[in-house]
Amino acid sequence: EVQLVESGGGLVQPGGSLRLSCAASGFTFTGFWMSWVRQAPGKGLEWVANIKEDGSHKNYVDSVKGRFTISRDNAKNSVYLQMNSLRGEDTAVYYCAKGAGFDSWGQGTLVTVSS
Amino acid sequence: EVVMTQSPLSLPVTLGQEASISCRCSQSPVYSDGNTYLHWFHQRPGQSPRRLIYKVSNRDSGVPDRFSGSGSGTDFTLKISRVEAEDVGIYYCMQTIHWPGTFGQGTKVEIK
Repeated sequence: EVQLVESGGGLVQPGGSLRLSCAASGFTFTGFWMSWVRQAPGKGLEWVANIKEDGSHKNYVDSVKGRFTISRDNAKNSVYLQMNSLRGEDTAVYYCAKGAGFDSWGQGTLVTVSS
Repeated sequence: EVVMTQSPLSLPVTLGQEASISCRCSQSPVYSDGNTYLHWFHQRPGQSPRRLIYKVSNRDSGVPDRFSGSGSGTDFTLKISRVEAEDVGIYYCMQTIHWPGTFGQGTKVEIK
């Protein structure tokens, strides 16, 4: 059974940093792109970033370019999202999702940016 | 950025009746391999999204056959043939061909 477990969320002040983790199990991690998707409170879904199977290629939505960095550790079956210079509009539940087709999602981790 | 427009945004339905959700893309999600990368997701209240349909019309494992997807070009439809109580929540379409992949605004399905 595929499992994706996010962690690392919390309350952070504007301008601060946070590192999210997603631990994957139940599938061959090295065979899939991985993504981070976020959902602001009461709002819809926004694809934030994705990373190729071997980590050689990464994409970011414009609103996070230069501030967020996606990475993965295939030895640990994990994907990460380093978030710097956080803003109020980054407040959201952050989900990791498996594959180019988003066939599995984690339960999400809440990031709140507020003073 | 490709804009995904869903309608209606709110859909009250009677148990056992059919529900239909439309999704229009500002650019076709057809890839050079001939596949159309348009998917549907369901998010129940307080839960994470779950994919129901991939590449227009393919049901994911465990998805009841009352769910069906159709469409081509830039217009797509999700149908629930006989709505059950567990079908409430928000439905999103998504295209994954043009970066960044984009979701529709969501259609909230509720029981009348």
